[in-house]
Amino acid sequence: NAGVMQNPRHLVRRRGQEARLRCSPMKGHSHVYWYRQLPEEGLKFMVYLQKENIIDESGMPKERFSAEFPKEGPSILRIQQVVRGDSAAYFCASSPPIRIYGYTFGSGTRLTVV
Amino acid sequence: AQTVTQSQPEMSVQEAETVTLSCTYDTSENNYYLFWYKQPPSRQMILVIRQEAYKQQNATENRFSVNFQKAAKSFSLKISDSQLGDTAMYFCAFKLSASGSRLTFGEGTQLTVNP
Repeated sequence: NAGVMQNPRHLVRRRGQEARLRCSPMKGHSHVYWYRQLPEEGLKFMVYLQKENIIDESGMPKERFSAEFPKEGPSILRIQQVVRGDSAAYFCASSPPIRIYGYTFGSGTRLTVV
Repeated sequence: AQTVTQSQPEMSVQEAETVTLSCTYDTSENNYYLFWYKQPPSRQMILVIRQEAYKQQNATENRFSVNFQKAAKSFSLKISDSQLGDTAMYFCAFKLSASGSRLTFGEGTQLTVNP
């Protein structure tokens, strides 16, 4: 079992460009969560998805951010027209479709906006 | 809404000694889980230990143990026989029991183990 795979590990974008972050959950996991970690801070919840459904997006900024988890393929967190304040580490976690005690995290994608 | 507070931004300990990291939380719910995660410089989030709120017995995992005080809403982590590899950021986290509930993290405590 390869664990939760995130790519790229590092991503550099210029202001105004788009950033696409990918997350492949563990085998058998159909729930995906995205968290953002700003420098010197803890992780903050962004969005919770199941296959083809957004369950809770209450932590997502209202503009420029979107997420999807298609029937086939990885979950994608998309940030349009990136700004310097988007620079952060973005973590994905996955869990199986049962009551669970905790999640398995990926290694994160560090986004730097220059 | 649930909140998690870690009041110690940084701590240090000598190798082989014991250190305790503090965490308090606030919730009106009765069924939940609490966790400690470790984040070394590699940035990987590693689950250290978890506690079910309905269990009175404190969880233990090898050198790691917790002191769970439900009435006081306190959940501290004790690391015994500290090792250099324990140097990392430690996050306390809260999760409601319902499937799919989010994790709410504290701001973290940077622990440094000195040789």
